[in-house]
Amino acid sequence: GAGVSQSPRYKVAKRGQDVALRCDPISGHVSLFWYQQALGQGPEFLTYFQNEAQLDKSGLPSDRFFAERPEGSVSTLKIQRTQQEDSAVYLCASSLGQGEHQPQHFGDGTRLSIL
Amino acid sequence: KNQVEQSPQSLIILEGKNCTLQCNYTVSPFSNLRWYKQDTGRGPVSLTIMTFSENTKSNGRYTATLDADTKQSSLHITASQLSDSASYICVVSATGGGNKLTFGTGTQLKVEL
Repeated sequence: GAGVSQSPRYKVAKRGQDVALRCDPISGHVSLFWYQQALGQGPEFLTYFQNEAQLDKSGLPSDRFFAERPEGSVSTLKIQRTQQEDSAVYLCASSLGQGEHQPQHFGDGTRLSIL
Repeated sequence: KNQVEQSPQSLIILEGKNCTLQCNYTVSPFSNLRWYKQDTGRGPVSLTIMTFSENTKSNGRYTATLDADTKQSSLHITASQLSDSASYICVVSATGGGNKLTFGTGTQLKVEL
């Protein structure tokens, strides 16, 4: 595909369950970002990968959140022991290079609802 | 803490009219400012990117301005169309931040007949 693909588009889980969200970036894009977007708010940075290296995870809200990109392409965001405040849209973005002026291309997100 | 504030929070205009959205930021040291359009249920789509030395940039009917001295930006939409109905988000990047973006909360624009 030409764009960033995220799956699933919607995920409903019971409080306490673990969830895994997948991001397929644009082929060849070096940088990959995860964001969390609460209802009516702008996205907030979670973590950043350059190839397989996680260079910044300062935005992850707790140690229940874990992200990986083992082969430098597909990335997975895992949330353990989910809580209701984890309900949000999780957006993935990728950029071709690592420069500060690189445009970021976003997927349509995974809408996570915790019951 | 780096912050981006936008106004108005929401706006309703008639099709064919123009409008201007505002953005103030405190991100420092400044690297670049972007405007994104986000349709309901979709990811943000980039409209413009401006660096410190640029004070205006256009993309079709969208024109963004930047005043790095006052740390303000605006997005002007001309001859609005129904498809312009969306959230418009101002996003700022800091130098040395590794392309980490700080987002505003957006202006929700509705274009009506």
